[in-house]
Amino acid sequence: DAGVIQSPRHEVTEMGQEVTLRCKPISGHNSLFWYRQTMMRGLELLIYFNNNVPIDDSGMPEDRFSAKMPNASFSTLKIQPSEPRDSAVYFCASSFQSGVGQPQHFGDGTRLSIL
Amino acid sequence: DAKTTQPNSMESNEEEPVHLPCNHSTISGTDYIHWYRQLPSQGPEYVIHGLTSNVNNRMASLAIAEDRKSSTLILHRATLRDAAVYYCILLSGGGADGLTFGKGTHLIIQP
Repeated sequence: DAGVIQSPRHEVTEMGQEVTLRCKPISGHNSLFWYRQTMMRGLELLIYFNNNVPIDDSGMPEDRFSAKMPNASFSTLKIQPSEPRDSAVYFCASSFQSGVGQPQHFGDGTRLSIL
Repeated sequence: DAKTTQPNSMESNEEEPVHLPCNHSTISGTDYIHWYRQLPSQGPEYVIHGLTSNVNNRMASLAIAEDRKSSTLILHRATLRDAAVYYCILLSGGGADGLTFGKGTHLIIQP
């Protein structure tokens, strides 16, 4: 079975440019999560969706960050304009929430470098 | 949110059992105890979770104290591929929440 698929795997771009990260969750999963990992702050939850609806975006650092989930099989995380401090590994995860704490399945991440 | 406390690092030998402790003294009655691990250069991976009773799966066992204020992840026979950062996380019973990762325990396996 295909797991969570993220693209691109690596992204290097200059400060000020728009960056779009993509995620395809596991088929049948109804929750999707975006996380960011840095050496300084570890793994942080940015935003999550249930049934394509954003539930909690309190982890989104600034208005420069936005996330969408137009359908059950696709989500994007966009940074505009990007800054060097946005450099991190961004993970997408999905799960099927049935009220008993189902596990989250993570993608391999997108390593983002902003020059 | 209820917090967890784990040792920063632990070291073990290959093919020996490993016991990874986690303290969660402020756990609430509806909190599940989840364990994830992150291998180098990979995304986190679910290991196991439980509520009150001990749990076993193909990867590990989870022993939960009777008062639920602590738990132990048990790898019965560690291999070099088990070298990873292990995270103990509390998740409310609804489950439809993001995970709050602490610093975890960096497990080192010696050949």
